[in-house]
Amino acid sequence: HVQLVQSGAEVKRPGASVNISCEASGYTFTTYSLHWVRQAPGQGLEWMGVVDPRGGAPTYAQKFQGRVTMTADTSASTVYLTLPGLTSEDTAVYFCARDFQFTGSSSRIYKWLEPWGQGTLVIVSS
Amino acid sequence: DIQMTQSPSSLSASVGDRVTITCRASQSISRDLNWYQQKPGKAPKVLIYGAFNLQSGVPSRFSGSGSGTDFTLTISSLQPEDFATYYCQQSYSTPLFTFGPGTKVDMK
Repeated sequence: HVQLVQSGAEVKRPGASVNISCEASGYTFTTYSLHWVRQAPGQGLEWMGVVDPRGGAPTYAQKFQGRVTMTADTSASTVYLTLPGLTSEDTAVYFCARDFQFTGSSSRIYKWLEPWGQGTLVIVSS
Repeated sequence: DIQMTQSPSSLSASVGDRVTITCRASQSISRDLNWYQQKPGKAPKVLIYGAFNLQSGVPSRFSGSGSGTDFTLTISSLQPEDFATYYCQQSYSTPLFTFGPGTKVDMK
């Protein structure tokens, strides 16, 4: 069964960097892209970007361009999110989610995020 | 980037009520609109994809409609397990996705 398992919670000092992993299982890793979405305490979902395990440059939300790095290791079926220069505003739960694609009866292609990892809490505090 | 808005930001309702949540895109996104439900401490779960297609296993009291820029999620008869936060998400500008700000449905 398809599963995404993320690394554990992190507590970081301001200015530090965090690296979060998301290991996929239950499907061919290179078939689907993987997205990162974060959620600050009490706030909504914020899409950060997507990485295609087959290669090519990741696509980042404008807000995170030049700051975040998303990579994929096909040998480990794992994607990674690296966020340097942490501030208190980066305190959030970080989710990975698989890009799911379905072709409907009219050949229309639908895309959504499923499944999701369990989330990784990152706390930035001095 | 395509911006998404939702209204209301929160609502209070009772079991059995009909609930309607609206989502608007800053430009036409055809029918590339998904709805998610999120409960506290959990990852979101897709309810509706492609504006009106019910995901497998999702109760039929959930329905979606709309196209272009305006979309609606309707819960025909609210159940206790439906108290949650609902998000719309556009996939039109794939691989770039955008979420709406969310609508929290709580108990009146």
